[in-house]
Amino acid sequence: ILNVEQSPQSLHVQEGDSTNFTCSFPSSNFYALHWYRWETAKSPEALFVMTLNGDEKKKGRISATLNTKEGYSYLYIKGSQPEDSATYLCASNDYKLSFGAGTTVTVRA
Amino acid sequence: EPEVTQTPSHQVTQMGQEVILRCVPISNHLYFYWYRQILGQKVEFLVSFYNNEISEKSEIFDDQFSVERPDGSNFTLKIRSTKLEDSAMYFCASSERQLDSNQPQHFGDGTRLSIL
Repeated sequence: ILNVEQSPQSLHVQEGDSTNFTCSFPSSNFYALHWYRWETAKSPEALFVMTLNGDEKKKGRISATLNTKEGYSYLYIKGSQPEDSATYLCASNDYKLSFGAGTTVTVRA
Repeated sequence: EPEVTQTPSHQVTQMGQEVILRCVPISNHLYFYWYRQILGQKVEFLVSFYNNEISEKSEIFDDQFSVERPDGSNFTLKIRSTKLEDSAMYFCASSERQLDSNQPQHFGDGTRLSIL
């Protein structure tokens, strides 16, 4: 099981503001990095699977970057909306997912 | 969109009793997983399953745990003699392929297991 860390643990964002947060993971023997969006009482929803150093992926107002050499990924939310409120999980994949503890984002209207 | 379904959503069981958690993975998926999250802790991998065999398991998945695919659709997790520390949210997930690590895993809504 890989040691995956996320920071901050939680953050509050004003509606319309942009934000970002970090996932760090072991850079040795890297296979893939997954981001999930998890709303309360729902199942984690896959956002991105990233494999290559320098990868950038985008889904609407949410985007992510990957640095496999130094072992970190950033998730960005542009122009936050209340519906972006959720816990964002990253997981390193070596054919099983090792999760971080998540960053809980609360968007205030 | 196809989804992973889990039943029941909440299970309350006396310590020492057996419990079976049920999952119906997405129909064309070949790899199945169980994870759990103890309240306040990270989501943890328990076991992966492919071709009617366990392909990998964590140290959490001891002799008290077993998995089965009893028919073409269900994937079950059995805990033989539950302990208080088994109380957690249990998630089932499935993916089309495992060897290609680009595949996302699709999760169910989870079963909250409460051991009294």
